[in-house]
Amino acid sequence: DAKTTQPTSMDCAEGRAANLPCNHSTISGNEYVYWYRQIHSQGPQYIIHGLKNNETNEMASLIITEDRKSSTLILPHATLRDTAVYYCILRDSGGSNYKLTFGKGTLLTVNP
Amino acid sequence: NAGVMQNPRHLVRRRGQEARLRCSPMKGHSHVYWYRQLPEEGLKFMVYLQKENIIDESGMPKERFSAEFPKEGPSILRIQQVVRGDSAAYFCASSPVGSNEQYFGPGTRLTVT
Repeated sequence: DAKTTQPTSMDCAEGRAANLPCNHSTISGNEYVYWYRQIHSQGPQYIIHGLKNNETNEMASLIITEDRKSSTLILPHATLRDTAVYYCILRDSGGSNYKLTFGKGTLLTVNP
Repeated sequence: NAGVMQNPRHLVRRRGQEARLRCSPMKGHSHVYWYRQLPEEGLKFMVYLQKENIIDESGMPKERFSAEFPKEGPSILRIQQVVRGDSAAYFCASSPVGSNEQYFGPGTRLTVT
């Protein structure tokens, strides 16, 4: 069962903000929203995570709606090196939260 | 601090041969996870190991696949009698004690001919 839904692909111009949406309408109260990305031929790279509040770090910002049924990852100034598959993952706070479940993600292509 | 290391990066095996994939976790990390990524798919959890212990192998096929993480040396994912359907990218991740934050290696791409 797919717990998150993401668009298959998106394009963004270099230097502009990339906004990647994720729907998770069946999220439970103890599930965090995690974002990873996978650049071609590399392993996944952690980006950011959050529970309820919006989060920001040096890579990106994460906006979670008040009802927590959707979120948006924002790359404020996309560069060509941000071209990758972006995965939105739900991860609970329980004992088996080490199992990361990756869907097909969104292929973000940053164009010059 | 070197990241997670995997070798070989590319491995070609004929059907019926054995494949051994190695993973050296980050320094100070004692938890290792293996994931498999089939073509055009997302990563799927296979197994979680701590030093000398298999914690969860629920994602591993029941036959031909095994994993270990000895007291000394890298973690090994072993696939016996490989078949074409085993062709995939195999990723290892590690985490330190007390944390589930996983740091991934570059993967091993197995091709079975």
